[in-house]
Amino acid sequence: AQSVTQPDIHITVSEGASLELRCNYSYGATPYLFWYVQSPGQGLQLLLKYFSGDTLVQGIKGFEAEFKRSQSSFNLRKPSVHWSDAAEYFCAVAPPGGTYKYIFGTGTRLKVLA
Amino acid sequence: NAGVTQTPKFQVLKTGQSMTLQCAQDMNHEYMSWYRQDPGMGLRLIHYSVGAGITDQGEVPNGYNVSRSTTEDFPLRLLSAAPSQTSVYFCASSSDGRTSGNTIYFGEGSWLTVV
Repeated sequence: AQSVTQPDIHITVSEGASLELRCNYSYGATPYLFWYVQSPGQGLQLLLKYFSGDTLVQGIKGFEAEFKRSQSSFNLRKPSVHWSDAAEYFCAVAPPGGTYKYIFGTGTRLKVLA
Repeated sequence: NAGVTQTPKFQVLKTGQSMTLQCAQDMNHEYMSWYRQDPGMGLRLIHYSVGAGITDQGEVPNGYNVSRSTTEDFPLRLLSAAPSQTSVYFCASSSDGRTSGNTIYFGEGSWLTVV
């Protein structure tokens, strides 16, 4: 079955520390991969996406993610976390081509300590 | 630059009442969908549409109806609200992949409480 796993429900880091949020997927073929961020009481904002090509993708707000086909992973990273990064982060996959059926992970809530 | 617009943002319903969550997009996207978000469960697809006049069920369709009479609008109807439908609802739209490459755009969400 197709699925997305975010193994960390909560993560706490200190401001200025580095961050890595994990995402693993189970899919028949290499899907399109996404990371979204949701601030409290807000909708979802796209951070970055991978369709093909360079496996290291850059996104907004200083985030990047690396696609590793052998590990079926798409981990999100940031070298230095800011207090404003506290939010919930969702990994999602979608089949290649035009699509409406995204599969989301259950999310990782990030807390940033001052 | 409206994008995806959902109304209302907050709603309290009594069990058994019906209501419609409105969703409109101005990006001429073919695909529209409704998700619900519950703690610890991520977003789950309720219904989706691949174009005007075409709708289909997602993962959790029971208790909800949709229609797509125009490209722009995709309302979600709760027929007889139940406490289990207390959730945050997100409308989303995306293209067929030939232009913006599958990015899905979300509305800001509708917080629904059924008492």
